[in-house]
Amino acid sequence: EIVLTQSPATLSLSPGERATLSCRASQSVRTYLAWYQQKPGQAPSLLIYDASNRATDIPARFSGSGSGTDFTLTISSLEPEDFAVYYCQQRSNWPLTFGGGTKVEI
Amino acid sequence: QVQLVESGGGVVQPGRSLRLSCTASGFTFSSYGLYWVRQAPGKGLEWVAIISYDGSDKYYADSVKGRFTISRDNSRNTLYLQMNSLRLEDTALYYCARESSAHWFDPWGQGTLVTVSS
Repeated sequence: EIVLTQSPATLSLSPGERATLSCRASQSVRTYLAWYQQKPGQAPSLLIYDASNRATDIPARFSGSGSGTDFTLTISSLEPEDFAVYYCQQRSNWPLTFGGGTKVEI
Repeated sequence: QVQLVESGGGVVQPGRSLRLSCTASGFTFSSYGLYWVRQAPGKGLEWVAIISYDGSDKYYADSVKGRFTISRDNSRNTLYLQMNSLRLEDTALYYCARESSAHWFDPWGQGTLVTVSS
């Protein structure tokens, strides 16, 4: 099973600041990695797929990068609605796995 | 718009069974693979099962293999999860999600809560 390790667990920032979230895989997942955002009381929603492609209607302040085992989600300038939990997920190997999440808090 | 609505959750005793449903609208149901994903209270996400567009292929997480069965009825635009021999650790919010064209979870339903408790 591929283990995805997200860091940090919590990121405390202010609106307007830059957020950098990390996801490290226990073995290569090539670019088969996605990022999801989950706001309190809501279902997750797809942000980034195939490591660097923004999903439909996702603002340009969200960007993803990386390949192999190291991936980054960057939010260039935090908006109030961006404070949420972010999960990475791989589909390179079965079983499909998620990282433990990074909470971006004010 | 694409919509997925889960139902069937509730409180159940360990060892008992429950069947979840996910009713879809706003897209051609029979053209897409579908997933179940769960989230224990205050915890992260865990993939549970996937079924192909026509129901011919199914995969399960080891934690539910042999106890849970995923199925679909394309004539009713409905996805199912039959959960047998439920355990305390199966307590979670269960989401259904559609497989996007790029093979990711997109979109998700709002979830149905399953509580396994004696």
